[in-house]
Amino acid sequence: GQQVMQIPQYQHVQEGEDFTTYCNSSTTLSNIQWYKQRPGGHPVFLIQLVKSGEVKKQKRLTFQFGEAKKNSSLHITATQTTDVGTYFCAGVMEYGNKLVFGAGTILRVKS
Amino acid sequence: DTGVSQDPRHKITKRGQNVTFRCDPISEHNRLYWYRQTLGQGPEFLTYFQNEAQLEKSRLLSDRFSAERPKGSFSTLEIQRTEQGDSAMYLCASSLASGRRNTIYFGEGSWLTVV
Repeated sequence: GQQVMQIPQYQHVQEGEDFTTYCNSSTTLSNIQWYKQRPGGHPVFLIQLVKSGEVKKQKRLTFQFGEAKKNSSLHITATQTTDVGTYFCAGVMEYGNKLVFGAGTILRVKS
Repeated sequence: DTGVSQDPRHKITKRGQNVTFRCDPISEHNRLYWYRQTLGQGPEFLTYFQNEAQLEKSRLLSDRFSAERPKGSFSTLEIQRTEQGDSAMYLCASSLASGRRNTIYFGEGSWLTVV
């Protein structure tokens, strides 16, 4: 079946350190979307990537979509305590219409 | 607030009872999705509608689950004869599909606890 794998499962960093989470799909994706979920909250949309090799930045967050459209990454520069939460990637398969989520990466930031 | 809204936000029910959740999508969105999320897991797809047509259902959706979107606007998700394993957060999401761009926005979820 369609699978989206995400690593690491958990990362605990010192405030100011960088953080990266990686996402891999078993099949080619039409697009990939990234979400952030705070404890007790719901997934909040961060960004969508559509084009092969696409790179997008949002302040300290950098999102990449691989050339083969099967992998993606989210990099946070100089983490802050407000970055804590679970980051999910979710892919839409080519010729598909639903989002398939990775298991998420839990980020904890120690001040 | 013009986002996706869900009701009720929390529901505690006894095993064997039926429950129904309602979702109001963002008004111009033609697609509506239901997902389920348990602690420590990513959301799992249950079903989606394009306008009023239910186009895909997950194998996770047993015959105790039924979803409707009668007029292509709001949707309901009913769980009959609830079991403890149904305890989860039920997330509704909507999107306006246009080519490859299909940004999906989630509601705040409906928490279900079956006791």
